[in-house]
Amino acid sequence: DAKTTQPTSMDCAEGRAANLPCNHSTISGNEYVYWYRQIHSQGPQYIIHGLKNNETNEMASLIITEDRKSSTLILPHATLRDTAVYYCIVLTQGGSEKLVFGKGTKLTVNP
Amino acid sequence: DTAVSQTPKYLVTQMGNDKSIKCEQNLGHDTMYWYKQDSKKFLKIMFSYNNKELIINETVPNRFSPKSPDKAHLNLHINSLELGDSAVYFCASSQLQGGYGYTFGSGTRLTVV
Repeated sequence: DAKTTQPTSMDCAEGRAANLPCNHSTISGNEYVYWYRQIHSQGPQYIIHGLKNNETNEMASLIITEDRKSSTLILPHATLRDTAVYYCIVLTQGGSEKLVFGKGTKLTVNP
Repeated sequence: DTAVSQTPKYLVTQMGNDKSIKCEQNLGHDTMYWYKQDSKKFLKIMFSYNNKELIINETVPNRFSPKSPDKAHLNLHINSLELGDSAVYFCASSQLQGGYGYTFGSGTRLTVV
């Protein structure tokens, strides 16, 4: 059972920032927020994860609210190749839980 | 070097046949998984192996049998294939259980006719 809710779809103009929201109001203290994406016909790809602090890597930034009930994945300069389904997932790190994918957000980057 | 490789990439077969999909990872990960993505694009976990030991077995028909000869390989054998088995099957691996750093293969598209 997915513990997150995400918009079904979003659009973004090429070169602009894409901000993908995720609600996880029932997140527990030891659960991390993970983001994966699946580009058409490819396997899912890990993007970023975080516990409570904001995180940034070469792919994206993750902003987690102070109460941890929601987060936003930011692609700072979206390209056409960022068109994909983005999945927000919460679970404990190093535990026995499995990575469960919900419906995700279909992001379309337009030229 | 492909980190998680699956073969074959495409598989078309008739109902009732038995087929296998192979998966190999060269990342040194301890845990490997099989996921199924159906026509509605839902990704569901099927099995998980940690160091050759089965640790997750979702409600998958007995016709599906994973086999892990060593921690770098996790094969999926399917007996008596049915039309509903048509899907894309993804293999994945991770160093730790939990969500960190799963690496997925490129998928095997199985079509049962």
